[in-house]
Amino acid sequence: EDQVTQSPEALRLQEGESSSLNCSYTVSGLRGLFWYRQDPGKGPEFLFTLYSAGEEKEKERLKATLTKKESFLHITAPKPEDSATYLCAVQAKRAGDYKLSFGAGTTVTVRA
Amino acid sequence: GAVVSQHPSWVICKSGTSVKIECRSLDFQATTMFWYRQFPKQSLMLMATSNEGSKATYEQGVEKDKFLINHASLTLSTLTVTSAHPEDSSFYICSAPQGANDQPQHFGDGTRLSIL
Repeated sequence: EDQVTQSPEALRLQEGESSSLNCSYTVSGLRGLFWYRQDPGKGPEFLFTLYSAGEEKEKERLKATLTKKESFLHITAPKPEDSATYLCAVQAKRAGDYKLSFGAGTTVTVRA
Repeated sequence: GAVVSQHPSWVICKSGTSVKIECRSLDFQATTMFWYRQFPKQSLMLMATSNEGSKATYEQGVEKDKFLINHASLTLSTLTVTSAHPEDSSFYICSAPQGANDQPQHFGDGTRLSIL
């Protein structure tokens, strides 16, 4: 069974205070690891896909990295608008199976 | 802009009522869509995989007679919660990959279902 564990559960940051979120995963062959952002009462918004260890993706203040066992989402100099719940999900490399297994998320609050 | 549209966004109804939720892919075709359920402060739990032109695949523990899924066209999947009860109250979200099934899934904005 695929497992995704995110830490910490919650993160409170001062504006400009950089930090990292962790996503540890266990999957029988990784097809892809996905990061999403979810605002309250909304559906998840796609951020990044990572496919192989060593890969990195960047978007504005966010940078995602991938190893064989975990992924990190780095938030550099966050702003209040970066406050959200960040979800990590894995897709296993199983024939005909494209479902995502999600972690519980990290809720980030950035104070001005 | 949004690539997946979900309707309604919010519904309140009496116990015993059946409720239909629509999920549409905008400007692209989706042979596969996914339906999730999310409880407060918890993550998304996959309920079923909706396949255009064939039966949905349900996750273990999800009652297929309770949660009817119809994927009648390449841009529309519907989830019907039959004879809803208060314990069915939740946030239901659909998703669809834009392109091949291994591409990132794009999510609708969810439907908040409250059963009185």
